Amino acid sequence: QQQVKQSPQSLIVQKGGISIINCAYENTAFDYFPWYQQFPGKGPALLIAIRPDVSEKKEGRFTISFNKSAKQFSLHIMDSQPGDSATYFCAANGAKGGGADGLTFGKGTHLIIQP
Amino acid sequence: DSGVTQTPKHLITATGQRVTLRCSPRSGDLSVYWYQQSLDQGLQFLIHYYNGEERAKGNILERFSAQQFPDLHSELNLSSLELGDSALYFCASSLGGSSYNEQFFGPGTRLTVL
Repeated sequence: QQQVKQSPQSLIVQKGGISIINCAYENTAFDYFPWYQQFPGKGPALLIAIRPDVSEKKEGRFTISFNKSAKQFSLHIMDSQPGDSATYFCAANGAKGGGADGLTFGKGTHLIIQP
Repeated sequence: DSGVTQTPKHLITATGQRVTLRCSPRSGDLSVYWYQQSLDQGLQFLIHYYNGEERAKGNILERFSAQQFPDLHSELNLSSLELGDSALYFCASSLGGSSYNEQFFGPGTRLTVL
C-alpha cells in the first residue's frame, strides 16, 4: 500500500520557470511533511518541511503548499535553475505517534531544468 | 557533506552470503535510521535506533538485523542474500528520538548481489 503518492515521475522545466511537484497522502495521522532533494550518487538532503498547522511555508525559492482537507501537499520551485536538476522526494511521518517511525517516502520526481 | 559516514561504498557479493554495512552518525546525534532504496520499491524505512535501543521497525526482512553500539555507530546485517536485496542502503542520523528532528543522510552503500 503506497501511503504517499507523488507526481509527476519526471518533469522538464525551462530555466527561470516554476517547477511544481505534488504529493497526496492517505494516513490522517501523518503530521510532518518534509521534502528531500537527491543528486546522483548522494544521499537525500532535507530541503524544506511543513507541519499541518500552516498552509504554506517558504524558504528562498522553495515553497510548500499544504491542503489538510484534501490530504495533499506540493513543492513549488520558483525561478528554477539548472542546479536544481535532481530527484525530489516528498515524505511524511507521525503515523504511529511519537514520531519514532522512519519517514514514508513518495516514489520521487526526476526534475530536469533546461538552460 | 552531511557528516554521516557509511562504509563500504560498494559491496558485491553472491546469493546466500552475509554482509555488514556500517554507519557512523553525525557527532552528537543519538538516532540512526536505516533505509533501503531500490528502483521498484523506492526509499523504504527499515529500522530506527535511539541511543542504543531499537525504537521502531519498518519493512525490514527477518533476514536483516541491526544494532547500535555504545559509541553510537550502527551496523546493518544482511544474511542469506537474494538477488532482490541489491539496492542502495542509506543510514540517516538525527539529534533526538523523534523523526520530527531533521534526518541527515549518509552517502549510502551500494549492494550488488550476483
